[in-house]
Amino acid sequence: QLQLQESGPGLVKPSETLSLTCTVSGGSISSVTYYWAWIRQPPGKGLEWIGSFYSSGRTYYNPSLKSRVTISVDTSKNQFALKLRSVTAADTAVYFCARGDIAVASDTFDIWGLGTMVTVSS
Amino acid sequence: QSVLTQPPSASATPGQRVTISCSGGSSNIGRNTVNWYQQLPRTAPTLLIYTNNQRPSGVPDRFSASKSGTSASLGISGLQSEDEADYYCAAWDDSLNSLVFGGGTKLTVL
Repeated sequence: QLQLQESGPGLVKPSETLSLTCTVSGGSISSVTYYWAWIRQPPGKGLEWIGSFYSSGRTYYNPSLKSRVTISVDTSKNQFALKLRSVTAADTAVYFCARGDIAVASDTFDIWGLGTMVTVSS
Repeated sequence: QSVLTQPPSASATPGQRVTISCSGGSSNIGRNTVNWYQQLPRTAPTLLIYTNNQRPSGVPDRFSASKSGTSASLGISGLQSEDEADYYCAAWDDSLNSLVFGGGTKLTVL
């Protein structure tokens, strides 16, 4: 059973870069039918898609975050990463990594990590 | 303000049926498929419905969904206490070139 686990600092200072890693276990991140995503949820609020990475190499970002976001993949470690630059308090949220399966549907996330809380504060 | 509009709350008693709406536009629900996610308290979301009305394996048939035009709806019949959760709709928006979520509906089982 494929599982995802987010990791990274729980506290980031304003204007710095938020860096998170999602480790994939029980399956290969290189599978051509899978795609990988980051989604966040500010405290007490709804879900916001950050971006998705496909095995073809294509990456899609939320236009509202695109100028500050990079999603990358490390196949040797079976991990994918999120970097969000120039953070502010508005970036405080629980960050989830998730998997989609092209064989099932597009833009559909059938496996999620537990999420990790990141607070932006000095 | 979310691109997809959901009622912030819904409630019903055990055994009843409840419907949650998701209203969008021609660039999202009107052109693309809708997914629904369930988020139980203090947990990660889980996929409840995909491609408008398909249930992943393991999701009870008490959960159903449909799409018509620029709106979608999620129905839960035979409501149980464990159905108390937040429910989110989602769809790709061709104009924004982004995946968008509804604001979520908090379902209370009275």
